[in-house]
Amino acid sequence: DIQMTQSPSSLSASVGDRVTITCRASQAVSNYLAWFQQKPGKAPKSLIYAASSLQSGVPSKFRGSGSGTDFTLTITSLQPDDFATYFCLQYSSYPFTFGPGTKVDFK
Amino acid sequence: QVQLVESGGGVVQPGTSLRLTCEASGFTLSSYAVHWIRQAPGKRLEWVTVISFRGGYQKYAESARGRFTISRDNSKNTVSLQMNSLRPEDTAVYYCARRPEGNSFDLWGQGTMVIVSS
Repeated sequence: DIQMTQSPSSLSASVGDRVTITCRASQAVSNYLAWFQQKPGKAPKSLIYAASSLQSGVPSKFRGSGSGTDFTLTITSLQPDDFATYFCLQYSSYPFTFGPGTKVDFK
Repeated sequence: QVQLVESGGGVVQPGTSLRLTCEASGFTLSSYAVHWIRQAPGKRLEWVTVISFRGGYQKYAESARGRFTISRDNSKNTVSLQMNSLRPEDTAVYYCARRPEGNSFDLWGQGTMVIVSS
């Protein structure tokens, strides 16, 4: 199975900040990497697919990049609604595997 | 409204069975592969199983193989997950999600809680 790691596991930020989250796969997944946002008690919301493609309706403040084993999610101009947990998913091969998540909270 | 709604969760004893259903509204589910993903308390998300859009292909996680069965009824716009021989470690929120061609999971349901406890 492909193991997914994320860093940092949590970060504190302020409104207006730019934050970057990293996801690493234990083996190459090409660009079959997605990013999701999840708030407590809610279903995950898709942000990015194919490493850098923005899901329909998602604002361009969310940007994904990377290929192979190393990927990043950048969120610019953080707003109160952006404070949540973000996790990555590799869907290159079964079983699909998720990262452990990065919690973004108020500084 | 385009949405997926899971149902069928509950509290059951170890060794028993439960059937979860994922119902689509606002779109035709038969156009999509459908996956089940679960999240145990305090744990990362875990992919469980997938069924192709016509139902001819299924794949399971090792933890589900031989105990869980995914199926679909495209006439009812639903996908089901039959879970047998449940274990305490199956306790989780179970989500269904659709996966369009060339995309990842673009739409998730709100989840249904399964608790396996004696």
